[in-house]
Amino acid sequence: AQKITQTQPGMFVQEKEAVTLDCTYDTSDQSYGLFWYKQPSSGEMIFLIYQGSYDEQNATEGRYSLNFQKARKSANLVISASQLGDSAMYFCAMREVPGAGSYQLTFGKGTKLSVIP
Amino acid sequence: DSGVTQTPKHLITATGQRVTLRCSPRSGDLSVYWYQQSLDQGLQFLIQYYNGEERAKGNILERFSAQQFPDLHSELNLSSLELGDSALYFCASSVSSGRGSTGELFFGEGSRLTVL
Repeated sequence: AQKITQTQPGMFVQEKEAVTLDCTYDTSDQSYGLFWYKQPSSGEMIFLIYQGSYDEQNATEGRYSLNFQKARKSANLVISASQLGDSAMYFCAMREVPGAGSYQLTFGKGTKLSVIP
Repeated sequence: DSGVTQTPKHLITATGQRVTLRCSPRSGDLSVYWYQQSLDQGLQFLIQYYNGEERAKGNILERFSAQQFPDLHSELNLSSLELGDSALYFCASSVSSGRGSTGELFFGEGSRLTVL
């Protein structure tokens, strides 16, 4: 079974509008972390935002916010005021049971976001 | 700039050949992770090293091997290459532990391998 599910292979958004990218996860651990990464066409992986399973407030980083609904096991990324430079692949990832020295992430298949001028 | 350095950025080789990909982690990071990104499989975890020792293993083929050296740089060796090994190979490093650490991975720019 997939641990990270991103159901939207592709999304379009108008410039300056907000967009939500969906992510659901599956884990039996109580302690875990959720991440979003951006991959532009140039290929590098850029860390955007992190949410810990015990964090009571939704994480925010500038125009990025994470809509964390623990009971539903969802961790959706919200991008406000979309810009043309936001066009990229977006990956949701999860870290389970952070043992000493181990921060292995499991990634979803990604969502390709295209921002329309 | 993540601080993680990968070489080479691009590599073209033939089936049956062997290649070595190199990674230098961020200063102070003891852990190195290798991921493979292909169109059909997405981002797949291959292997992790922590301070020179293998810590976790993922979907790494027997034809692939890795090691981490005393200076903490790591190499991923791919042998008997097949067409299906064509992919983007990422190295990432992380803060090993510590209270308050989110455990985010810092990725290099990747090495794009094309097997012809």
